[in-house]
Amino acid sequence: KNEVEQSPQNLTAQEGEFITINCSYSVGISALHWLQQHPGGGIVSLFMLSSGKKKHGRLIATINIQEKHSSLHITASHPRDSAVYICAVMGNTDKLIFGTGTRLQVFP
Amino acid sequence: EPEVTQTPSHQVTQMGQEVILRCVPISNHLYFYWYRQILGQKVEFLVSFYNNEISEKSEIFDDQFSVERPDGSNFTLKIRSTKLEDSAMYFCASSEAIGTGELFFGEGSRLTVL
Repeated sequence: KNEVEQSPQNLTAQEGEFITINCSYSVGISALHWLQQHPGGGIVSLFMLSSGKKKHGRLIATINIQEKHSSLHITASHPRDSAVYICAVMGNTDKLIFGTGTRLQVFP
Repeated sequence: EPEVTQTPSHQVTQMGQEVILRCVPISNHLYFYWYRQILGQKVEFLVSFYNNEISEKSEIFDDQFSVERPDGSNFTLKIRSTKLEDSAMYFCASSEAIGTGELFFGEGSRLTVL
């Protein structure tokens, strides 16, 4: 079983839809990262969370430490949001454990 | 905006050859990382580096791999004798602080071993 599980693996949406990507993990963590990987392969950090909720523009990330679960929400989705979204957790060491990613396609 | 830069963006090499991938982290960052992503698979941690030494490494990071920060700015990953299965995208990242520091990734170096 993977230490970091994401769902769904693939997601298709119409422009304007509200999107939720989920991440569950099985290890103790010091922080959880949400990353965006562009079609060209580059990776951008979206959020780093250790508790609660963070918001940046149309993106919202939440984490529930007790339930070992995090969600990434995109409000008013846009075709430029199309990318792979990756959840990654850092435990008590600086080794980052990655999920397999959620491939999002937003159509106009 | 400060960024992590990686060179080369793509390298093709013959099996058994040595490869050096270079990274220039953000200047005030203290923690440096290499990750790899085999085509179609998830990103995997290779190694972390702090205070001029390896702080953590994965089981992938065997004796064929080494890292160094030779001049205080570049952070390099060397693969001594490449194998076909080393073909992957290699990402460098840096952060100001461990654990709770935001990670900044480079654009990646694609290595193809023939």
